[in-house]
Amino acid sequence: ETGVTQTPRHLVMGMTNKKSLKCEQHLGHNAMYWYKQSAKKPLELMFVYNFKEQTENNSVPSRFSPECPNSSHLFLHLHTLQPEDSALYLCASSFRTGGYTFGSGTRLTVV
Amino acid sequence: SQQGEEDPQALSIQEGENATMNCSYKTSINNLQWYRQNSGRGLVHLILIRSNEREKHSGRLRVTLDTSKKSSSLLITASRAADTASYFCATEDNAGNMLTFGGGTRLMVKP
Repeated sequence: ETGVTQTPRHLVMGMTNKKSLKCEQHLGHNAMYWYKQSAKKPLELMFVYNFKEQTENNSVPSRFSPECPNSSHLFLHLHTLQPEDSALYLCASSFRTGGYTFGSGTRLTVV
Repeated sequence: SQQGEEDPQALSIQEGENATMNCSYKTSINNLQWYRQNSGRGLVHLILIRSNEREKHSGRLRVTLDTSKKSSSLLITASRAADTASYFCATEDNAGNMLTFGGGTRLMVKP
């Protein structure tokens, strides 16, 4: 365990479903991130939260909706996704600067 | 856009040999980090080198940074089959704590 826990590990959802990915860290980090990793593409930064405030939204479609209720928890709400959204979604946390700690990811398949 | 680009994209070596991976980036950085990812899992932070450092060691890992050429290299000495993974470089810019990743080098170490 890295200290960053993501659930679920695997998720299969239909295009009309609504689901949420969860990330939790108890490392005392003040920043949390969502990354998307698709096959044969570099990791894409989706959202950044610093001290619970969203500071970055990298032109992510509105069908992805992040939520950060406190500095230890981060959610990614999903609705009306497309098959091309199938990917590994990685959560990470860090202090203001320095190395990131990643979770094991959620493998999402949209059918 | 992608900040870091690793070279080569894939590398296959025999156990005991050294593996060298290179990374180039485009803009000014605060630090550069190397990560390892086993198939379908989260990324593991290996080493961070700051923009004012030129070389750093950690166990069998040696990282160099040349800011004039905007490049870095990761050397794994005396490789083991367990080193088989994808290796990514990532840069943190001067403005904040967002990491931008390259496409990675897939390393295979044959026993």
